[in-house]
Amino acid sequence: DAGITQSPRHKVTETGTPVTLRCHQTENHRYMYWYRQDPGHGLRLIHYSYGVKDTDKGEVSDGYSVSRSKTEDFLLTLESATSSQTSVYFCAISESSGYGYTFGSGTRLTVV
Amino acid sequence: LAKTTQPISMDSYEGQEVNITCSHNNIATNDYITWYQQFPSQGPRFIIQGYKTKVTNEVASLFIPADRKSSTLSLPRVSLSDTAVYYCLVGDAQAGTALIFGKGTTLSVSS
Repeated sequence: DAGITQSPRHKVTETGTPVTLRCHQTENHRYMYWYRQDPGHGLRLIHYSYGVKDTDKGEVSDGYSVSRSKTEDFLLTLESATSSQTSVYFCAISESSGYGYTFGSGTRLTVV
Repeated sequence: LAKTTQPISMDSYEGQEVNITCSHNNIATNDYITWYQQFPSQGPRFIIQGYKTKVTNEVASLFIPADRKSSTLSLPRVSLSDTAVYYCLVGDAQAGTALIFGKGTTLSVSS
């Protein structure tokens, strides 16, 4: 979607390696989110940010860390990738925490 | 955060009206109701949002009864391209927390 970009779009990595996914926005929205989507589980919240250097955990935060050093970028790091983290990762942005989310196109991550 | 309950799946045929009902019994005073649509291999996209009564846009209508404990998304005359997952969410703009999406309702439209 316009205003939000995820990179990379696809990545294959080996078990035990660190991986960083990037979400970049040009909308100057306060809130940014990381979700993962797996068959049978719908969308699950990993972490979110409500401002620069302000982040909080979501439903499935174990094994993930995030950083937001500037408004436009929200990074998701898998500290030591495992096969269970093979998933599609979506970033979202919003001006308000309660509604108006805009999602990126997703990153398909495969851990082998 | 208010939890929502919606059917896991629904089937329909082209040209029919589809109504998907969502239950949110513990919705709070400041919560808005929002529906999203997701196609395979894409991120969810906003369809419609409301607080009470009825809201209509070019894509759908949203019906909210006075007690706000449920809401119904109405898709008029669906086509094959409406096959998607539909998520119902409630959220407070001032809460500073994040929406929990859940599994949504998978709508399958056949010819």
